[in-house]
Amino acid sequence: AQKVTQAQTEISVVEKEDVTLDCVYETRDTTYYLFWYKQPPSGELVFLIRRNSFDEQNEISGRYSWNFQKSTSSFNFTITASQVVDSAVYFCALSGLSGGSNYKLTFGKGTLLTVNP
Amino acid sequence: GAGVSQTPSNKVTEKGKYVELRCDPISGHTALYWYRQSLGQGPEFLIYFQGTGAADDSGLPNDRFFAVRPEGSVSTLKIQRTERGDSAVYLCASSLYSEGYNEQFFGPGTRLTVL
Repeated sequence: AQKVTQAQTEISVVEKEDVTLDCVYETRDTTYYLFWYKQPPSGELVFLIRRNSFDEQNEISGRYSWNFQKSTSSFNFTITASQVVDSAVYFCALSGLSGGSNYKLTFGKGTLLTVNP
Repeated sequence: GAGVSQTPSNKVTEKGKYVELRCDPISGHTALYWYRQSLGQGPEFLIYFQGTGAADDSGLPNDRFFAVRPEGSVSTLKIQRTERGDSAVYLCASSLYSEGYNEQFFGPGTRLTVL
C-alpha cells in the first residue's frame, strides 16, 4: 500500500520569508513518481512538479525548489521569498511508474500555507 | 484549449436520493480518473477508466457508487441512496494514454452536499 504523510497541517509566514513543506512517503514499489500540487482557494488542482524515483537530483524552478531524498523517503518543497499569491493548500502525491491504473495518485492530507503581507 | 469540465459545480441533495455527476475530459484523452476530496483531506482515488471500461474500481467505497463511460469520453459518477458521509468534492482528471507518463489534468470538481 502507498501512503503519503504531510505532517504540517498549517503554516503561516510573513511575505518574503522562505518556507519548506515536508512530505514523507511509503511505498513497496521500487520505482514510482512523486508530485506536488497546489490548490488555491478556487479549488482547482494545479500541477507543480513530477519526479521519478530514478532521479534524486534536486530541482529549482524560479522561487520553487524540491529536495528528493530516497534514503529518508522524503520529497520536500521550498518556496523562497514567499508571496501572498503562494497562499494555498499544497499536496504531495505518489503514483506507480508502470502506466494505466498504476498512475492513480495517492495524496497526502495537504498543508495549508498562508502568506501574510 | 478546453480543459476538463465537470457539472454541476454544486449539488445539494437530501439523504437517500440518487445523484449523477458528469465529467467531460479533454478531447482525445482516453484515460479518466475520479477522485473524492473530503473536507480537510487530500483527494482519494475512486475509479479509473481506460476507454470505455473501468480498469480499476478499487477505490469505490461501496456498491452505492457506480461510474460509466459508455462512449469513451464523457463519464458519469452515480451515487444511489446518498448518505451525509458522501458530502465531498468529486474531482475528475483525464490524461492521454501511452507507454510513458502522461500528466493528469484535473477539473474544477463538483461539490456534493447531502443534507
